[in-house]
Amino acid sequence: KAGVTQTPRYLIKTRGQQVTLSCSPISGHRSVSWYQQTPGQGLQFLFEYFSETQRNKGNFPGRFSGRQFSNSRSEMNVSTLELGDSALYLCASSLLGDRVNEQFFGPGTRLTVL
Amino acid sequence: GENVEQHPSTLSVQEGDSAVIKCTYSDSASNYFPWYKQELGKRPQLIIDIRSNVGEKKDQRIAVTLNKTAKHFSLHITETQPEDSAVYFCAANNQARQLTFGSGTQLTVLP
Repeated sequence: KAGVTQTPRYLIKTRGQQVTLSCSPISGHRSVSWYQQTPGQGLQFLFEYFSETQRNKGNFPGRFSGRQFSNSRSEMNVSTLELGDSALYLCASSLLGDRVNEQFFGPGTRLTVL
Repeated sequence: GENVEQHPSTLSVQEGDSAVIKCTYSDSASNYFPWYKQELGKRPQLIIDIRSNVGEKKDQRIAVTLNKTAKHFSLHITETQPEDSAVYFCAANNQARQLTFGSGTQLTVLP
């Protein structure tokens, strides 16, 4: 099975711009979660999507949004970029069952805001 | 919400020695506790996980112990090797199945 893929791998944007990141989960996985990883804050949960619906949301401002398509692919969008948004953005997919299952991470998108 | 604290933030050990990383969690409803290893420039990968119905789980040189009463769990790596050098993250779920991660431990195995 192919692993989780993310595009693009690297992005450079300037303050005020917006950006869209994409995540393709492992085939058959319907749950996709997004995380922001920074050196000082570790892995911070952004949101989770399942069946095109946002199931959980972390403590991030409304500038961060996402969506999921019928094929389980997910996108996240960050509007009005700030310098502090520079980070590695990871998505993870998992099977959804009666209990929590392993999350498989993608390679991440490295976003640099200048 | 769930709060996961991880210690130490950095750990250096001699090759062949053991390494122990500890985490505490706050949500008594948590029942899934994974450990992820992230090598430099790579994605986090699950190395071991434990569910609340067991107290210990082993996989070769890696073991995890769970104390539900005290709300803490630990990762034990024996006979450490240079390739064990990485950042290790613990995590715990909440009732919405969302994972909260610890802040990470940079493990360095010295040859």
